[in-house]
Amino acid sequence: GAVVSQHPSRVICKSGTSVKIECRSLDFQATTMFWYRQFPKQSLMLMATSNEGSKATYEQGVEKDKFLINHASLTLSTLTVTSAHPEDSSFYICSAQGGLSYEQYFGPGTRLTVT
Amino acid sequence: AQSVAQPEDQVNVAEGNPLTVKCTYSVSGNPYLFWYVQYPNRGLQFLLKYITGDNLVKGSYGFEAEFNKSQTSFHLKKPSALVSDSALYFCAFPVGAGKSTFGDGTTLTVKP
Repeated sequence: GAVVSQHPSRVICKSGTSVKIECRSLDFQATTMFWYRQFPKQSLMLMATSNEGSKATYEQGVEKDKFLINHASLTLSTLTVTSAHPEDSSFYICSAQGGLSYEQYFGPGTRLTVT
Repeated sequence: AQSVAQPEDQVNVAEGNPLTVKCTYSVSGNPYLFWYVQYPNRGLQFLLKYITGDNLVKGSYGFEAEFNKSQTSFHLKKPSALVSDSALYFCAFPVGAGKSTFGDGTTLTVKP
């Protein structure tokens, strides 16, 4: 099946700094990628839809200036958490949709801890 | 609003016993429905999907799900649970533009 990677898997940063998370589709081209946030033992909350070569579409309540998304190529999308605060600590998961399938392929997630 | 619901936060079963993780849907028309599994600190893995055709869908790791239109359900089942099946399970359906809506998740614990 299709493989999606995320890097880093874990990151600890200090409050006020910025952190970049990469999401790559390894064996297919993903015109659309999605970024989710997940709190412990809770469901996934869609943050934004990332489209290659265009601006991301953010869900209501998600600050676009805080969570910067770039989808520069068909295999790479990045999420940058700017001026991170402890409340941004969470598990961030990306997914990619391949072709006409409704199935999404998920990355392994990134655990962000802001101290 | 269209949605899926997982009425149980937690399901506990003994190893070797059959397991069921419930999902009901409120989706107009013919729904596409998915099950995903999430192991601790990992992303979601696709288990199976219902698009059309047979109501009984077989998926990965011995799981299956039955689409029941009259009961608007899509319960996930396995005849004999393994300890390694312990994980968080999500029911989901696509809502357009590639997005999916997920249920709140059910934590399955299989005890030896």
